[in-house]
Amino acid sequence: GAVVSQHPSRVICKSGTSVKIECRSLDFQATTMFWYRQFPKQSLMLMATSNEGSKATYEQGVEKDKFLINHASLTLSTLTVTSAHPEDSSFYICSARVTSGGGQFFGPGTRLTVL
Amino acid sequence: DAKTTQPPSMDCAEGRAANLPCNHSTISGNEYVYWYRQIHSQGPQYIIHGLKNNETNEMASLIITEDRKSSTLILPHATLRDTAVYYCIPSSNTGKLIFGQGTTLQVKP
Repeated sequence: GAVVSQHPSRVICKSGTSVKIECRSLDFQATTMFWYRQFPKQSLMLMATSNEGSKATYEQGVEKDKFLINHASLTLSTLTVTSAHPEDSSFYICSARVTSGGGQFFGPGTRLTVL
Repeated sequence: DAKTTQPPSMDCAEGRAANLPCNHSTISGNEYVYWYRQIHSQGPQYIIHGLKNNETNEMASLIITEDRKSSTLILPHATLRDTAVYYCIPSSNTGKLIFGQGTTLQVKP
């Protein structure tokens, strides 16, 4: 099946620093990738839709200047949390879609802890 | 986006079939029904999806009612490793998935 990886799996950073998370589709090309975050004991919340070669579309309430998304190739999307604060600590998960109308395949997630 | 209603939790005996219901009465004509599951602290796993016909794959079967207002995911022989939160999500071709609270399935020995 389709495999999506994320790097790093865990990251701890100091408040005020920026953190980059990579999402890669390993065995397929993904024109569309999605970024979610999940707080403890809550469901996943869609943050943004990332289309290769164009600007990401952010969901209401998600700050585009704080969560920078780049989708420069058909196999790689990155999420940068800028000037991270403790309230940004969360589980960040990406997904990639193989074809329009097909299922999305999720990465294993990245646990971000901001001290 | 269509809203869904799923029971918050269900138990199933190991080896028995697990039938997970989902109501999606406001689903649009162009929305598929997707099922995912999430095992604790992992990314969600795609299970199956369908539009109006019943579907089956190596993991599960999906039964969609004729009026498309509800569906049932069937795990034919549940194992302990099937313990997870199961999400039923209507989604159009945009691909956006709006996760609800899902059903926590506990498979018991």
